[in-house]
Amino acid sequence: KAGVTQTPRYLIKTRGQQVTLSCSPISGHRSVSWYQQTPGQGLQFLFEYFSETQRNKGNFPGRFSGRQFSNSRSEMNVSTLELGDSALYLCASSLGGSGGYTFGSGTRLTVV
Amino acid sequence: AQRVTQPEKLLSVFKGAPVELKCNYSYSGSPELFWYVQYSRQRLQLLLRHISRESIKGFTADLNKGETSFHLKKPFAQEEDSAMYYCALRGGSTGNQFYFGTGTSLTVIP
Repeated sequence: KAGVTQTPRYLIKTRGQQVTLSCSPISGHRSVSWYQQTPGQGLQFLFEYFSETQRNKGNFPGRFSGRQFSNSRSEMNVSTLELGDSALYLCASSLGGSGGYTFGSGTRLTVV
Repeated sequence: AQRVTQPEKLLSVFKGAPVELKCNYSYSGSPELFWYVQYSRQRLQLLLRHISRESIKGFTADLNKGETSFHLKKPFAQEEDSAMYYCALRGGSTGNQFYFGTGTSLTVIP
């Protein structure tokens, strides 16, 4: 079965712009989580969606938001981009119960 | 508060030598722990989880609740084991948030 698909793979934006990243989970997975990965901070949890509802949220400012659609696909949006938002954004899906995540390849966002 | 600590950022061992990647955690409930691995230019992938008590690619990890540790071990390291390893704890208010350590970069020297 297809894995977790994230689009686009690479993105370059300027400060102040906004960006939307997309994630298609594994078929049948209803939970989608987003992480920010940077060399200095490692993997930091952004939020988790399950059945179109945000179940959990990490410690990121309100500029970071997300949503999930009825087909479990998820998007995350970052508004008013800052240089420090440059990172690899990872999406992970799971069935929502016990067990591990399956990660996508990520979207590399560079803010200039 | 939930926390995962991997004290070693970098670890180098010779091929054939034993390797141990350390992971300590703090969690008030009953933890569910995982090891993830990221090979060069590949996506992050699940290596093993403590519930399964399995050995994957020769790696094992035992949950030690007394020492709050979940160290990853392999008796004989191989060059293909060179990768970034992340220890993760599953918890949070919904039980589906993962807390990752900062990772250990393992290099196996031929």
